[in-house]
Amino acid sequence: DQQVKQNSPSLSVQEGRISILNCDYTNSMFDYFLWYKKYPAEGPTFLISISSIKDKNEDGRFTVFLNKSAKHLSLHIVPSQPGDSAVYFCAAPSNSGNTPLVFGKGTRLSVIA
Amino acid sequence: SAVISQKPSRDICQRGTSLTIQCQVDSQVTMMFWYRQQPGQSLTLIATANQGSEATYESGFVIDKFPISRPNLTFSTLTVSNMSPEDSSIYLCSVIEGLSYEQYFGPGTRLTVT
Repeated sequence: DQQVKQNSPSLSVQEGRISILNCDYTNSMFDYFLWYKKYPAEGPTFLISISSIKDKNEDGRFTVFLNKSAKHLSLHIVPSQPGDSAVYFCAAPSNSGNTPLVFGKGTRLSVIA
Repeated sequence: SAVISQKPSRDICQRGTSLTIQCQVDSQVTMMFWYRQQPGQSLTLIATANQGSEATYESGFVIDKFPISRPNLTFSTLTVSNMSPEDSSIYLCSVIEGLSYEQYFGPGTRLTVT
């Protein structure tokens, strides 16, 4: 049973517009969430994170929103750039402390110039 | 952040053979993990590589198929044994530094089994 779900396998956005990537989770014990970006032939790279004590975290063009009651988070990228084209994974620690992350299936973002 | 290298970067192997993948980190790290990403799928945890003791495997993965070594705090190997085409995947080494939720990943090893 997938604890972290990304229901949109792909998303296409025009350059300069906002990209919104969504993620749902089932485990109410999750208290920290991370987004990773993956280019072809490279490993995933950490992008941004959010603790469950916050509902928003912003870093430049990237903002993550957390809605705990809905068990939903989203990643906003604005303005979107062609270099943002990649697969984005939502993740959460499987347990507290130094435990491995569980990942969603990813959403492939294509930013069209 | 830790810099992670993996060898080989890719390989094409015949059914029934074994391949050992190496993961080298440029600093001592708390935790090391091995993941697999099958085509179109998520990153699936294979096991946690424990320094000086047997790895901890996730459900569906066994030591006979995926033996793992971690002789020190900067190095680990994953062997994919008796390969079949279903083992064709990207295999990724990942680490945690200190007390952190963030994991860092190597570039991956793309394995194709024919």
